[in-house]
Amino acid sequence: SQQGEEDPQALSIQEGENATMNCSYKTSINNLQWYRQNSGRGLVHLILIRSNEREKHSGRLRVTLDTSKKSSSLLITASRAADTASYFCATDEASGGGADGLTFGKGTHLIIQP
Amino acid sequence: DVKVTQSSRYLVKRTGEKVFLECVQDMDHENMFWYRQDPGLGLRLIYFSYDVKMKEKGDIPEGYSVSREKKERFSLILESASTNQTSMYLCASRPTGVRTEAFFGQGTRLTVV
Repeated sequence: SQQGEEDPQALSIQEGENATMNCSYKTSINNLQWYRQNSGRGLVHLILIRSNEREKHSGRLRVTLDTSKKSSSLLITASRAADTASYFCATDEASGGGADGLTFGKGTHLIIQP
Repeated sequence: DVKVTQSSRYLVKRTGEKVFLECVQDMDHENMFWYRQDPGLGLRLIYFSYDVKMKEKGDIPEGYSVSREKKERFSLILESASTNQTSMYLCASRPTGVRTEAFFGQGTRLTVV
């Protein structure tokens, strides 16, 4: 099955800086979602962007989607120590109806240095 | 507050044991999923279910089975646990639809010794 690939695998920045993570995928999608995972915990949904949208904002989060390049980016502005976590993109394939699950990438581990 | 609850945070089992991982959701979602998470491999789908008593294989079903007797409960079964099944197991649910998010449990870290 197709799988999103996040880039970079790990990212370490200073508090207050912006963090950008990228995701590439392989097939047509209905939507792309970003999730966050604190160490040893379950995933928490952050934001969903539909295939006909190009950009979406939620608080300090900004997501872009380029379906022609099959890629997405997640920008976290003004990072905080509490943003330290792993971030995953997940794709909802166009052929599915929500029943067959999301396909996750391997994640980007973000470390915010205080 | 929506909730997906996994029965254990940490579990240690012996090789060859039959292991049950339980997951309960209180959101009346049709769809439930079991993922396995390993370092460097991300989340991989083991099994999913779109209705009571219905199940579908995911990407890595070998060595696992599932049970969904009630809508709110989805169980993952390791018939004969092996050391290569040591992993973090994540349960999720989501409603049917093409613009829906998944809700995850807190995860079960299983160690097979």
